[in-house]
Amino acid sequence: AQSVAQPEDQVNVAEGNPLTVKCTYSVSGNPYLFWYVQYPNRGLQFLLKYITGDNLVKGSYGFEAEFNKSQTSFHLKKPSALVSDSALYFCAVRALNSGNTPLVFGKGTRLSVIA
Amino acid sequence: DGGITQSPKYLFRKEGQNVTLSCEQNLNHDAMYWYRQDPGQGLRLIYYSQIVNDFQKGDIAEGYSVSREKKESFPLTVTSAQKNPTAFYLCASTPLTGPGDNGYTFGSGTRLTVV
Repeated sequence: AQSVAQPEDQVNVAEGNPLTVKCTYSVSGNPYLFWYVQYPNRGLQFLLKYITGDNLVKGSYGFEAEFNKSQTSFHLKKPSALVSDSALYFCAVRALNSGNTPLVFGKGTRLSVIA
Repeated sequence: DGGITQSPKYLFRKEGQNVTLSCEQNLNHDAMYWYRQDPGQGLRLIYYSQIVNDFQKGDIAEGYSVSREKKESFPLTVTSAQKNPTAFYLCASTPLTGPGDNGYTFGSGTRLTVV
């Protein structure tokens, strides 16, 4: 079975400071990992994905994520937070060779960037 | 512009009433999904379909029904058997490709409220 844990319901960070939103996963075999962002009353928007290759993945809006196989983690990072980054962030996973089984999402982490 | 459209944006249901949420995509995607979002619970899969005239139950299918008569359309009916339907409903789609895809494209959601 696949699962995703986002251990923090809320992350607060001051504008200009680095941010990290944590994600750990469980999957049989190699993972296919995603980060999505959701603004109020909107659908989810793709930020970045990891399939294979470099452990550091760069995505939209200056976000990046680091894949760590030994720790089964895929934390989302940004070197300098903006107030406009305030939103709900979701990590998602499925097994790489599972055909097209649905993505499993974490419960989400609300990021609040304070000016 | 290609995209995925959900309607209506807001929907009110009376007790004992069935309601249908619309989801239409013009992306030529094969697979479509319905998720339910509740505060603090993330996204939970209701139903999904990978080809026309075929669909599978997700984790919380009870009280819901779907159809997939056309590739572009995947309507969700919330029946009177669903005892707690108030939630934000998200539709998503993806092509049936391998690891090169960017995961799901999401609609903007329908907020259903029981009155």
